[in-house]
Amino acid sequence: EDQVTQSPEALRLQEGESSSLNCSYTVSGLRGLFWYRQDPGKGPEFLFTLYSAGEEKEKERLKATLTKKESFLHITAPKPEDSATYLCAVRSSNTGKLIFGQGTTLQVKP
Amino acid sequence: NAGVTQTPKFQVLKTGQSMTLQCAQDMNHNSMYWYRQDPGMGLRLIYYSASEGTTDKGEVPNGYNVSRLNKREFSLRLESAAPSQTSVYFCASSEFLAGGPEQYFGPGTRLTVT
Repeated sequence: EDQVTQSPEALRLQEGESSSLNCSYTVSGLRGLFWYRQDPGKGPEFLFTLYSAGEEKEKERLKATLTKKESFLHITAPKPEDSATYLCAVRSSNTGKLIFGQGTTLQVKP
Repeated sequence: NAGVTQTPKFQVLKTGQSMTLQCAQDMNHNSMYWYRQDPGMGLRLIYYSASEGTTDKGEVPNGYNVSRLNKREFSLRLESAAPSQTSVYFCASSEFLAGGPEQYFGPGTRLTVT
């Protein structure tokens, strides 16, 4: 069964304190791993797509990496505006549909 | 471009009432989706439409119906609302279903069923 698990559920950082969010997955033929950011009361906002192990993508203070079993979202020197819930999803080649993890809620304090 | 729009933003229903959630996209996408988001459950797919004229069940379709009105619009109907349908509903679209393109989400509809 396709499954996505994100850890930790919640993360509190001080401004400038770098850290990583984890997304572990099991899927029948990976056809893309997606990272989204969701602000309170808003819809998820697309960040990155990764397709194969070893691939990396960067955007400002965020860097996403992919292995055969997990993905990491590295946050370097975070700022309070990076506070949000970060969602991970995978697409299975069997169904073509996205399977979402439960998210990691990040709070960055000034 | 507005992207994906949803109406209404908030709704309160009594058990047994019906309503339709509206969704439209202006990105010329072929595929559209309805999800619900509940605390601790993540986003779960209710129904999807791979292309205009087709619809299919997702993970949690019971109690819902959908209509793909045209390429732009995809509506979700609750025929007889139940408290278990209290949730936040998101519509999304993508260029097509398979192959890996990302999905773009609307702002959501917060539904409370009393």
